[in-house]
Amino acid sequence: EAGVVQSPRYKIIEKKQPVAFWCNPISGHNTLYWYLQNLGQGPELLIRYENEEAVDDSQLPKDRFSAERLKGVDSTLKIQPAELGDSAVYLCASSFRPPPGETQYFGPGTRLLVL
Amino acid sequence: GDSVTQMEGPVTLSEEAFLTINCTYTATGYPSLFWYVQYPGEGLQLLLKATKADDKGSNKGFEATYRKETTSFHLEKGSVQVSDSAVYFCALTPSSYKLIFGSGTRLLVRP
Repeated sequence: EAGVVQSPRYKIIEKKQPVAFWCNPISGHNTLYWYLQNLGQGPELLIRYENEEAVDDSQLPKDRFSAERLKGVDSTLKIQPAELGDSAVYLCASSFRPPPGETQYFGPGTRLLVL
Repeated sequence: GDSVTQMEGPVTLSEEAFLTINCTYTATGYPSLFWYVQYPGEGLQLLLKATKADDKGSNKGFEATYRKETTSFHLEKGSVQVSDSAVYFCALTPSSYKLIFGSGTRLLVRP
């Protein structure tokens, strides 16, 4: 069974440029998550989708961040414009059902460096 | 609010030593508890979980018991290997349904 796929794995951009990350969850998983992981810290939830619906986006900085999950499968997370403080690892995860107790499967992440 | 506190690393052990990584939590209700592991260059992987008090999660020789009276979920392994070197994250899902992680503990096992 294929795991969660993310691309790109690494991205270097200059500040004020836009950037987008793509995630393909495990087949059949209805719940999709985007997390932000700063260096030396645990991941923090940005947004959670149930199928196409964003059911928890309270931690998403909506002035510059946006996300979509068209057709309830793949998802894209966008930052426009990027700031120096956005340098971090962006993780995508999926689960068959919503939390709690449900195992979340993580992708390898996209490491973003903003110069 | 809900939170997880882990012992700071790095933890450095010799091969075959006994491992304990402490984890305590603050949460309302009855959260589910997890240990995730992140090997170098890889994504987070679920190591084990427990969904109710006194449950013991186990996998690959690692164990952790859900202790509600002490709000703890300490990770243990009787004999570590070099291949266990990684960063270990304790996490919980409280009533808010959000997976909340600790800051991680780096384990380094020397041959």
